[in-house]
Amino acid sequence: GEDVEQSLFLSVREGDSSVINCTYTDSSSTYLYWYKQEPGAGLQLLTYIFSNMDMKQDQRLTVLLNKKDKHLSLRIADTQTGDSAIYFCAEMGSNYQLIWGAGTKLIIKP
Amino acid sequence: GAVVSQHPSRVICKSGTSVKIECRSLDFQATTMFWYRQFPKQSLMLMATSNEGSKATYEQGVEKDKFLINHASLTLSTLTVTSAHPEDSSFYICSASRTNTYEQYFGPGTRLTVT
Repeated sequence: GEDVEQSLFLSVREGDSSVINCTYTDSSSTYLYWYKQEPGAGLQLLTYIFSNMDMKQDQRLTVLLNKKDKHLSLRIADTQTGDSAIYFCAEMGSNYQLIWGAGTKLIIKP
Repeated sequence: GAVVSQHPSRVICKSGTSVKIECRSLDFQATTMFWYRQFPKQSLMLMATSNEGSKATYEQGVEKDKFLINHASLTLSTLTVTSAHPEDSSFYICSASRTNTYEQYFGPGTRLTVT
C-alpha cells in the first residue's frame, strides 16, 4: 500500500542547515510536497516537486528527489527560530488526494 | 494566492449533539475539497473527498452517516459531525483544489472538543 515515512524529530542550531528526510512507496506519484504546520495552525504549502525533477530550489529551501530510492528531502539553509514547526512530507495519490507522513518536528537550539 | 477559510476555528459541544464545520475557498473555485482529521502527534488522515455537485467518497473506516459532507457549490463544503462523542474530538482540516491542478490549499483547521 501507499506509505510515507519521516523521522519524528530534528534538532538543529540556529544558523545551521536543517535537512528533513522522507521516504515514500508509490513510484507512480507525480507530485511530492512539503507542508509546514506551526503550533495550533493549519498547513502551509512550502514547496512541491514534480516527479521528473531531481532538485528544486526556492530561496532558503532546497528539495532533492531521488526517485530510484523513493527518497525526498527538504533542506532549509540558515535555519531561524521562525522555522520551528512540524514539516509534513506528502505524495499525491491516484485520486489527487495527498498521502501524508507523520511529520517531523523541527527544534531550533540557540 | 489561494485562500481557504474554515468556520468555526474552535467549537465545544456536548455529547450527542451535531456540529457543522464550513470550508470555503475565498478567491478561487474549488472543484474538489478534501476533509482531513489530525490526531495529536499524528499525521493527517484523509476522511473523504468531495466533488462539487456529487456525493463524497469516504475513506475506509470513516462512517459516512456520522460525518456528513456536502459540497453544494464551488466555494463551499460542509462537514457535519452527527451525534458527536468525546472520541470525535480532534482537529479537522479541509483543503481545496482547482480543477485538474496539483496544488491543495488548506484551511486553518477547526478544533472540535466534545464534552
